[in-house]
Amino acid sequence: SAVISQKPSRDICQRGTSLTIQCQVDSQVTMMFWYRQQPGQSLTLIATANQGSEATYESGFVIDKFPISRPNLTFSTLTVSNMSPEDSSIYLCSVQDREGQPQHFGDGTRLSIL
Amino acid sequence: GQNIDQPTEMTATEGAIVQINCTYQTSGFNGLFWYQQHAGEAPTFLSYNVLDGLEEKGRFSSFLSRSKGYSYLLLKELQMKDSASYLCAALDSNYQLIWGAGTKLIIKP
Repeated sequence: SAVISQKPSRDICQRGTSLTIQCQVDSQVTMMFWYRQQPGQSLTLIATANQGSEATYESGFVIDKFPISRPNLTFSTLTVSNMSPEDSSIYLCSVQDREGQPQHFGDGTRLSIL
Repeated sequence: GQNIDQPTEMTATEGAIVQINCTYQTSGFNGLFWYQQHAGEAPTFLSYNVLDGLEEKGRFSSFLSRSKGYSYLLLKELQMKDSASYLCAALDSNYQLIWGAGTKLIIKP
């Protein structure tokens, strides 16, 4: 399966600031997703990153708060904007070759907001 | 609504067998996935079932009954390294994954 590199692996940020998380894949993939996982909780899908067009956001997530880029088939970024302590979480990118296939995850970004 | 249920936590003994159950209710169904997630790490794919029956992969097996909306993950010859959370996820008619909250498996010597 694809090798997925996610950066940074962790960060501690001040409230009100923004952080951009990068997800790089070593091969072209059709689908890329961004998830959030709070401690002891399940995965929550933030959005599907679409190559060359605006991301598709899930209910409760908006572009102003979580802008996403996907300039090509191997790279995507998620920005967490105007951070508050409630944004403290693990953020994960995942990739999928086509619908119905397993998603494979990057190592995640552990984000703490003070 | 769409829902996945799995036990929050289970405990088992090294060398034994454990079965982790998962029931799902989704709008349509296109398969069920099991993932393993060690503490502080990303989920890793274990198995995928779309047809009824048992899929065996080494010490791990996964079973699906579509009519009952039920799956289980069977782990044999448990090892300490199997201590992890196990996530069940169902694929709905729109090919969207619906995730369970995960079952934390504790292995005791």
